[in-house]
Amino acid sequence: DTAVSQTPKYLVTQMGNDKSIKCEQNLGHDTMYWYKQDSKKFLKIMFSYNNKELIINETVPNRFSPKSPDKAHLNLHINSLELGDSAVYFCASSRWAGETLETQYFGPGTRLLVL
Amino acid sequence: QQQVKQSPQSLIVQKGGISIINCAYENTAFDYFPWYQQFPGKGPALLIAIRPDVSEKKEGRFTISFNKSAKQFSLHIMDSQPGDSATYFCAASTSGGSNYKLTFGKGTLLTVNP
Repeated sequence: DTAVSQTPKYLVTQMGNDKSIKCEQNLGHDTMYWYKQDSKKFLKIMFSYNNKELIINETVPNRFSPKSPDKAHLNLHINSLELGDSAVYFCASSRWAGETLETQYFGPGTRLLVL
Repeated sequence: QQQVKQSPQSLIVQKGGISIINCAYENTAFDYFPWYQQFPGKGPALLIAIRPDVSEKKEGRFTISFNKSAKQFSLHIMDSQPGDSATYFCAASTSGGSNYKLTFGKGTLLTVNP
């Protein structure tokens, strides 16, 4: 019973291609996130959605477009892939408690390699 | 601007020893300080978290010490075990509002030798 799942686990593609990563959570959470972890393991938030509404967009290139069809899903589409996009992308989810912070649960990651 | 500075970058400890990882922050509005543990090939998982109204929180072998005036917090792992070998991230965030996000430190790779 995976709480936060991502597909695919590995993604190897050529520069210039377009690819998508899918994320699903079965925790009943209403907030979902995308993080990027670079080769030095630095974790940085990219996007956050609450109830399908974008609430955080951390100056990510326009080539990255998140989409949340419902509260349980958050997908990430990347256009015109570049070498620098190679990284591990993590999806996470949490409850939205307004004034308090809730634990974020991370998925297993999608390892993207752009050749 | 790195808002959460973490040290050391890597740490090697003998089994049974104490592992100490330190973090310092700049934003005085931060009021939530979690530590995440990440094993190779896995996503980060919450280990323990603290809010600034207490100076220490202990869960089993893991303790967070918090110094609000110095804007520093640290993770202590007592009786370190080989199974604790992982990358540890400190993080910080502010409560409330729609701009809630975790700012992570750069991580510490802990190796516990048997």
